[in-house]
Amino acid sequence: NAGVTQTPKFQVLKTGQSMTLQCAQDMNHNSMYWYRQDPGMGLRLIYYSASEGTTDKGEVPNGYNVSRLNKREFSLRLESAAPSQTSVYFCASSKASDEQFFGPGTRLTVL
Amino acid sequence: KNQVEQSPQSLIILEGKNCTLQCNYTVSPFSNLRWYKQDTGRGPVSLTIMTFSENTKSNGRYTATLDADTKQSSLHITASQLSDSASYICVVRHSGAGSYQLTFGKGTKLSVIP
Repeated sequence: NAGVTQTPKFQVLKTGQSMTLQCAQDMNHNSMYWYRQDPGMGLRLIYYSASEGTTDKGEVPNGYNVSRLNKREFSLRLESAAPSQTSVYFCASSKASDEQFFGPGTRLTVL
Repeated sequence: KNQVEQSPQSLIILEGKNCTLQCNYTVSPFSNLRWYKQDTGRGPVSLTIMTFSENTKSNGRYTATLDADTKQSSLHITASQLSDSASYICVVRHSGAGSYQLTFGKGTKLSVIP
């Protein structure tokens, strides 16, 4: 039982490049989330998916897109990376209103 | 606006000492409050959950309290260990409309030194 897995663990991009962060969970959770964490800012919600087939914007969605590929997988895409998107990205999953389980994070640097 | 404020922002204590972290919230209507522990370089992990009817709950050396009247919670760590060095995040859930109902605090960074 791996819980929530994220790939890659680290990534360096140049401004304007695109990439997709992958997230998968094996706990049969309905809800999945993407957060970013910056020093002094705490965790901020980018997008979430309350159930398979639905996605909703969070607090900071600009510059990102998401895909809930199936119940297990929820990906986050940066179409044209900017230095302001340098951050640590966490994926999480939960049963509807229950405890969130977080992945290990992806450390992204945009030059 | 729903808000969660944590204090102090950071804290340094000697190994073996006790400490208390604070969380004040203005989330309404209140559903529950969770404390998460986030080790450096890892994702947060839930320590405990407090519901409206609970005043105190313990998880080993961690004891959480909730005062729903004053909208305050605390996390008390007894006999601290080096492994307690982490950020502690308070997260409050509201029971209002919408499928996302969480408000996160910015966390308290605790450093336990020998």
